Amino acid sequence: GEDVEQSLFLSVREGDSSVINCTYTDSSSTYLYWYKQEPGAGLQLLTYIFSNMDMKQDQRLTVLLNKKDKHLSLRIADTQTGDSAIYFCAETPMFSGGYNKLIFGAGTRLAVHP
Amino acid sequence: DAGVIQSPRHEVTEMGQEVTLRCKPISGHDYLFWYRQTMMRGLELLIYFNNNVPIDDSGMPEDRFSAKMPNASFSTLKIQPSEPRDSAVYFCASSLRENTEAFFGQGTRLTVV
Repeated sequence: GEDVEQSLFLSVREGDSSVINCTYTDSSSTYLYWYKQEPGAGLQLLTYIFSNMDMKQDQRLTVLLNKKDKHLSLRIADTQTGDSAIYFCAETPMFSGGYNKLIFGAGTRLAVHP
Repeated sequence: DAGVIQSPRHEVTEMGQEVTLRCKPISGHDYLFWYRQTMMRGLELLIYFNNNVPIDDSGMPEDRFSAKMPNASFSTLKIQPSEPRDSAVYFCASSLRENTEAFFGQGTRLTVV
């Protein structure tokens, strides 16, 4: 079955690193995504990783993928108040009928305090 | 491009009324998705279209929900009759091809009283 799990809350001090974790169940997933949702807004793609990669770095963002454990993490270096938002992990499982269906986790609310 | 455009941004309606949510995807995108977001259930995919054809509607809650895409630039999600438990934020998203970034609209916040 398809299931994506995340912890619901994370609180960090400004300037520290944030690590948001996610586990997924479908080993056939080809892409795994991190989306950001700010209050009152839609979701915005932050970054994604292809399933044959272990790590992807993009400026302050580092994505780590452990395919054996089906574990995905997003690290935000030097976290700023503007990073406060809900972060969603998502996968696109392979199944008949197409594989463009995003399965989202419940979202992790990141709170950054001074 | 202005991005994915949804209307209305907010809708308050009485139980039993028909509600129609509208979406204009990004021009040239082949895929269109309707999602529902609630505190209890998070983000759920309701239905998605490829080249205006519904591909997977297994997430549509029940027969009260219907979605159409009469052309490449317009889609509707209709709820008839609406119920208080339909209250949620409904997002439309579009993507260029399969496995490419999905761009989300601002959402429609629906409140059924």
